[in-house]
Amino acid sequence: GAGVSQSPSNKVTEKGKDVELRCDPISGHTALYWYRQSLGQGLEFLIYFQGNSAPDKSGLPSDRFSAERTGGSVSTLTIQRTQQEDSAVYLCASSSHGTATYEQYFGPGTRLTVT
Amino acid sequence: AQSVSQHNHHVILSEAASLELGCNYSYGGTVNLFWYVQYPGQHLQLLLKYFSGDPLVKGIKGFEAEFIKSKFSFNLRKPSVQWSDTAEYFCAVNLNSGGYQKVTFGIGTKLQVIP
Repeated sequence: GAGVSQSPSNKVTEKGKDVELRCDPISGHTALYWYRQSLGQGLEFLIYFQGNSAPDKSGLPSDRFSAERTGGSVSTLTIQRTQQEDSAVYLCASSSHGTATYEQYFGPGTRLTVT
Repeated sequence: AQSVSQHNHHVILSEAASLELGCNYSYGGTVNLFWYVQYPGQHLQLLLKYFSGDPLVKGIKGFEAEFIKSKFSFNLRKPSVQWSDTAEYFCAVNLNSGGYQKVTFGIGTKLQVIP
């Protein structure tokens, strides 16, 4: 079956502009995660959605970052007024609560470059 | 807050050498432990995981990891590495707390295997 998909694969934007990154999780997966991968920083947790529960936003670095998940499926990560330090690869992952294995399936990521 | 420490950020080995990558976590409760791998140009994928039972777990491609509860460690090992093991390796932990699936990742270890 299809894996996690993300779009766009690459995004170049000017400082100060807003960007939207999209994630399509595996069908039926109730949990969805956003991470940021920067050189030398490893994998930084941003936000976690679990079913209909309120999302865990504890990893969002500033109020310029927000995310939503519509209909328990597709998720959009929005970064407002982008800064150069926002340049990174943004990864989305999903997992199935039903199997209780908690294995995360990752998408290919969106490489964001802020000029 | 839970945290994960990976001690080696960059490891260079010759083929056939033995590998051990360190991972320690900071949470004292019941945890699930993972190692993920990211081969060059590919998605992050699960290498192995520990939930309960035998603390020595086997993963794909000859990798294994041992959970030592008293040391809060989950080190990754392979007796004889190959050039194809060149990749970045991430240790991860989540709380074994029912439906809550937030996962914390370590900073990653880049392994370079020289032919």
